[in-house]
Amino acid sequence: GQNIDQPTEMTATEGAIVQINCTYQTSGFNGLFWYQQHAGEAPTFLSYNVLDGLEEKGRFSSFLSRSKGYSYLLLKELQMKDSASYLCAVVSGGYNKLIFGAGTRLAVHP
Amino acid sequence: EPEVTQTPSHQVTQMGQEVILRCVPISNHLYFYWYRQILGQKVEFLVSFYNNEISEKSEIFDDQFSVERPDGSNFTLKIRSTKLEDSAMYFCASGGGPEETQYFGPGTRLLVL
Repeated sequence: GQNIDQPTEMTATEGAIVQINCTYQTSGFNGLFWYQQHAGEAPTFLSYNVLDGLEEKGRFSSFLSRSKGYSYLLLKELQMKDSASYLCAVVSGGYNKLIFGAGTRLAVHP
Repeated sequence: EPEVTQTPSHQVTQMGQEVILRCVPISNHLYFYWYRQILGQKVEFLVSFYNNEISEKSEIFDDQFSVERPDGSNFTLKIRSTKLEDSAMYFCASGGGPEETQYFGPGTRLLVL
């Protein structure tokens, strides 16, 4: 089966750091994406991990442990515009379909 | 920066009618996808398309759905006879290949009445 779990909601303060966790159990694994989605809009790419370890990209970092079926997205120096849903998506199958978690809705407060 | 485009942005239709959703993927990409997102729910895979044929499809993608790449640029999703439960946001995505990012279009919001 395919199971991707992430917290439903998180809140954080402007300027702080927040970590959004994702655990997965999927029948295939070719990598893991994190996307940001504002309400009513398309997912936009944040990061991609295929090997274990940390990928850093400006204020955003993502970590993967394949043996544990675990990833996290770290957002630093939070800004109000970071209020959005963050989607964890596992790449599966020979043609790289994405299997999405339900998303974590992050609210950033002043 | 190249981007995936979709038309129309919104479509309202009556139950039982046919709709065609259109997408223009990024020009040098080879892998094309349709996903849908029912309001308040997660993004769900519908179908992938590679080398001018369907490469994989989900259980959602039944006989009412079809995809086509009629020319070198467009990629379409047709729903033959829409149902109320087809109301959703439909996203087209394209990717350059394995281990490459999939980029999403802005989506078509379909409302079936």
